[in-house]
Amino acid sequence: AAGVIQSPRHLIKEKRETATLKCYPIPRHDTVYWYQQGPGQDPQFLISFYEKMQSDKGSIPDRFSAQQFSDYHSELNMSSLELGDSALYFCASSPGGGNTIYFGEGSWLTVV
Amino acid sequence: DAKTTQPPSMDCAEGRAANLPCNHSTISGNEYVYWYRQIHSQGPQYIIHGLKNNETNEMASLIITEDRKSSTLILPHATLRDTAVYYCIVRVGGEVTGGGNKLTFGTGTQLKVEL
Repeated sequence: AAGVIQSPRHLIKEKRETATLKCYPIPRHDTVYWYQQGPGQDPQFLISFYEKMQSDKGSIPDRFSAQQFSDYHSELNMSSLELGDSALYFCASSPGGGNTIYFGEGSWLTVV
Repeated sequence: DAKTTQPPSMDCAEGRAANLPCNHSTISGNEYVYWYRQIHSQGPQYIIHGLKNNETNEMASLIITEDRKSSTLILPHATLRDTAVYYCIVRVGGEVTGGGNKLTFGTGTQLKVEL
């Protein structure tokens, strides 16, 4: 079965640069979630979208923005990168707000 | 979402059943109990969920107490590949309109399966 696809899987950026992560949800899933997991930490919720509209917001820095497009894929844009942004970023999707959420394999971001 | 309490770590011998407990004493009537696991640096993997009845699938069984204040995830025959952090999460589920019913991860239980 198709899963959540994230790209790129690995990304290295320098401080103050910009990075964009992409997420392709499972077909017919209309809800996308973004999580950040720092070293030794548990996944922290950043933001979610339902039917291309932001539906919930967590601890997402102002330097980060995200959107969901008409084909339901989503992009997380991170600007003015800091060393502390180095983390594993997960995207997840679900068919509607109350149903089971499935995660992608994550995108490793390293800021140097 | 209601908070959950799990032991930080557990050990299990390979081939034996692993019983992972979770307390969720403040769970609301419309909140489901979800279990996920995360094998090192991989995406969290859905295991099972339930509202009030016991559930079983090909991966595990979920036993929910009658008062719904606690639950136990059972891996019937643990293998080395089951070594992971297991998260018990309560979340509004079912027929919910709109979106945004996120999962809020706590600290989970590090299960170590040994020979």
